[in-house]
Amino acid sequence: DQQVKQNSPSLSVQEGRISILNCDYTNSMFDYFLWYKKYPAEGPTFLISISSIKDKNEDGRFTVFLNKSAKHLSLHIVPSQPGDSAVYFCAASDDNDMRFGAGTRLTVKP
Amino acid sequence: EAQVTQNPRYLITVTGKKLTVTCSQNMNHEYMSWYRQDPGLGLRQIYYSMNVEVTDKGDVPEGYKVSRKEKRNFPLILESPSPNQTSLYFCASSLWGGRGGYTFGSGTRLTVV
Repeated sequence: DQQVKQNSPSLSVQEGRISILNCDYTNSMFDYFLWYKKYPAEGPTFLISISSIKDKNEDGRFTVFLNKSAKHLSLHIVPSQPGDSAVYFCAASDDNDMRFGAGTRLTVKP
Repeated sequence: EAQVTQNPRYLITVTGKKLTVTCSQNMNHEYMSWYRQDPGLGLRQIYYSMNVEVTDKGDVPEGYKVSRKEKRNFPLILESPSPNQTSLYFCASSLWGGRGGYTFGSGTRLTVV
């Protein structure tokens, strides 16, 4: 039973445009949410996070939005750059545990 | 440099031959965890450890063992590997367990034939 779902396996956008990656979760005990980025042959690297007491967190070109009532979060990348092409994993955690989605492969075309 | 080091990076082995994948972190993190990544399934937790001598099962612990005898090391042991354990494995560590951003190792690609 996947508690964190990323329903889009892939996304392709043009350089300079906005990329929106979506994530849904089922467990209401999760109160901390993260996005990781993964390049081939490397481990995932932490990108941005948000606590459940917030609905938005911004870091440069990256913004994460949280809608607790819908159990939905999204990652916005503006403007998208070719170097952003990677697999993005959404994760949700409580005190002890972190669960990951299946990932979305983002391709940013020049 | 703060890092999580896994070895080996690549391993091909035969069914039933015991193997160990090592994981070491130099950040004095209390929390360590093992994940496997499979297509369409994302990262699934195998085992985690909140501190020395404290380990617990994740979502997919069958066929795996771990130990945490010292803070920096968290080896993953496959006593009798089977082909369904062919996967990409990641070790991760964190200062605050589920609350902190994980630092991941570079991965170990295991093939069991």
